[in-house]
Amino acid sequence: GDSVTQMEGPVTLSEEAFLTINCTYTATGYPSLFWYVQYPGEGLQLLLKATKADDKGSNKGFEATYRKETTSFHLEKGSVQVSDSAVYFCALNSGGSNYKLTFGKGTLLTVNP
Amino acid sequence: DAGITQSPRHKVTETGTPVTLRCHQTENHRYMYWYRQDPGHGLRLIHYSYGVKDTDKGEVSDGYSVSRSKTEDFLLTLESATSSQTSVYFCATYRDRSTDTQYFGPGTRLTVL
Repeated sequence: GDSVTQMEGPVTLSEEAFLTINCTYTATGYPSLFWYVQYPGEGLQLLLKATKADDKGSNKGFEATYRKETTSFHLEKGSVQVSDSAVYFCALNSGGSNYKLTFGKGTLLTVNP
Repeated sequence: DAGITQSPRHKVTETGTPVTLRCHQTENHRYMYWYRQDPGHGLRLIHYSYGVKDTDKGEVSDGYSVSRSKTEDFLLTLESATSSQTSVYFCATYRDRSTDTQYFGPGTRLTVL
C-alpha cells in the first residue's frame, strides 16, 4: 500500500537558518505530492503541491521538487522565521477515484529568535 | 477555503457513551473525509464520503460510523466511546481535480475519560 516517511522531529532552528525536512514515499502509479502545514491550535493548510515528476511546488518561500527517481519530495526554505513554527506533513494522493490522502507522521518545527 | 466548520470544538465524555461529531461545509464539495490525529501517527483516515449517502471505510474505521444525508453535512459517530478514541478529529473536503486539494476544518478535540 501507499506510505509516506518523513524525518522525525522535533526540529529546532534559529531564525534565518536553512530548513530541510525530508520526505520519501511508496506508491503505485503516479501520485500527486503535498506538503501541509498545521499552526498551533489550527487545522491543516495546503502549503504546496506537485502533480508530476520534476515539478517544483513553491509557496511562502518554501519549495519542494517531485523526484521520481528517488521517490522523494523534500521541503526546503532558505531562511526560516519564527512565524514558520508549526507541524509540517508530507502527503500523497495515489490517484484513486476517491482522492484519499496518505500522510506522514508530521515534523514539528520550532524557530527561535 | 471550503467554509468548513466542526462542532463541537471540544468535548469531554465518559467511556461507553455515544458521541456524534458534525462537519458542515458551505462550498458544495462532493467528497468529505474524517481523520484522527494522534502523536506519532500523523493523520489517519477513518471514513470518507463520495456523495450523499455514499460512504466507505478508511484505515481506522473500527468503532466509528458515519452518515451523510445532505451534501453539506458529514457526521461521525462513536457508538460507544473508549479511551483509545481520545484524539483530535479533523474533517476535510475535496472538490475535484481542478484544485486537487483537500481542505481541512479546525478540528474537534475529544477526550474520553
